[in-house]
Amino acid sequence: KAGVTQTPRYLIKTRGQQVTLSCSPISGHRSVSWYQQTPGQGLQFLFEYFSETQRNKGNFPGRFSGRQFSNSRSEMNVSTLELGDSALYLCASSLYGSWEQFFGPGTRLTVL
Amino acid sequence: SQQGEEDPQALSIQEGENATMNCSYKTSINNLQWYRQNSGRGLVHLILIRSNEREKHSGRLRVTLDTSKKSSSLLITASRAADTASYFCATDGDGGSNYKLTFGKGTLLTVNP
Repeated sequence: KAGVTQTPRYLIKTRGQQVTLSCSPISGHRSVSWYQQTPGQGLQFLFEYFSETQRNKGNFPGRFSGRQFSNSRSEMNVSTLELGDSALYLCASSLYGSWEQFFGPGTRLTVL
Repeated sequence: SQQGEEDPQALSIQEGENATMNCSYKTSINNLQWYRQNSGRGLVHLILIRSNEREKHSGRLRVTLDTSKKSSSLLITASRAADTASYFCATDGDGGSNYKLTFGKGTLLTVNP
């Protein structure tokens, strides 16, 4: 079974731009979570989707948004990028009812 | 906010030695998990322990959970150079809220050959 895939793996943007990151979960996994990882703040929960519905959201500004499609693939969008948005963005999927999460390799976003 | 806090922040040992990492958390939980992350990559799930369990083993890993002290420990026995990674504990949110894992800041383990 293929693992969680994330595209692109690396991204460089400038302040003020917007970015869309994509995540394809493991086949059969309907829950997708997103996390931001920075050296200063560590791993922080962004949001979680299940069956195209956002079930929980972390403490991030409205510039961070996401969605999930009917095939469970998910995207997250960050608008009006700031330097502080530079981070590794991790996507994780899990089976319904399971707390074990399977992570993708992440997208490294650099904002200049 | 960080639910889990790992201790120590960094640990350096020789191959063959045991490594112990600790995690403390603040609110009630349903379960606690440990994950490993190799430099700048995705996290790999190691083990999950439920709140009604006190100890769990998986290969060279041993996890304990003390809900009265709100703490957990991860023991890696007979460490190998390949165990070099960051280790994170994760709890199921604040007071058991669903669909959200809260991670600590991690312990960086270096195993020297």
